[in-house]
Amino acid sequence: SQQGEEDPQALSIQEGENATMNCSYKTSINNLQWYRQNSGRGLVHLILIRSNEREKHSGRLRVTLDTSKKSSSLLITASRAADTASYFCATAPPIISSGSARQLTFGSGTQLTVLP
Amino acid sequence: DAGVIQSPRHEVTEMGQEVTLRCKPISGHNSLFWYRQTMMRGLELLIYFNNNVPIDDSGMPEDRFSAKMPNASFSTLKIQPSEPRDSAVYFCASSLGDGGYTFGSGTRLTVV
Repeated sequence: SQQGEEDPQALSIQEGENATMNCSYKTSINNLQWYRQNSGRGLVHLILIRSNEREKHSGRLRVTLDTSKKSSSLLITASRAADTASYFCATAPPIISSGSARQLTFGSGTQLTVLP
Repeated sequence: DAGVIQSPRHEVTEMGQEVTLRCKPISGHNSLFWYRQTMMRGLELLIYFNNNVPIDDSGMPEDRFSAKMPNASFSTLKIQPSEPRDSAVYFCASSLGDGGYTFGSGTRLTVV
């Protein structure tokens, strides 16, 4: 089952505008990650925010996390046509069952289209 | 590093045939994951390995699916026999510790 659910499912904006995507999840997490997927390609890791963090920045990306509401948002400022892609949130559980990796559960994604 | 390498990029096979997907993770990464992506079900975790040992295969849909990791630089996902409903994009990803995943470019499987 999918842990994260992105909102909206699709977003279309003009180049230069800001794009905001939201993610809601159901259970406790250790961290939440955002990924980008260009058409026909693999997912690319963008940013990771831990459960004890509230906000994180990376270039034109700003991620917020509200664990009380079990939600996160990804803001892309000054969007470009090259930002056109699907964006996924993924959650990592708080308990490692075995080994050092935390298995990620991905949401259904937001399709962002930036019009030139 | 060339990233996570998957082969083949595309595979078209007839129902009932055996299909083997291959993955080379990033050198030094200790965890490897196999995901399947479809329009209907999104990204589903099939199985993951830590230090070459399978940790969780609860996502493997049926006994027709099997995965191995004989060493730290190679993993396979096998489907035998294949069925049309197995058609999807299969991704391999690797990670080190608690960080983000690095995904391969995927194998687009079509079973006719």
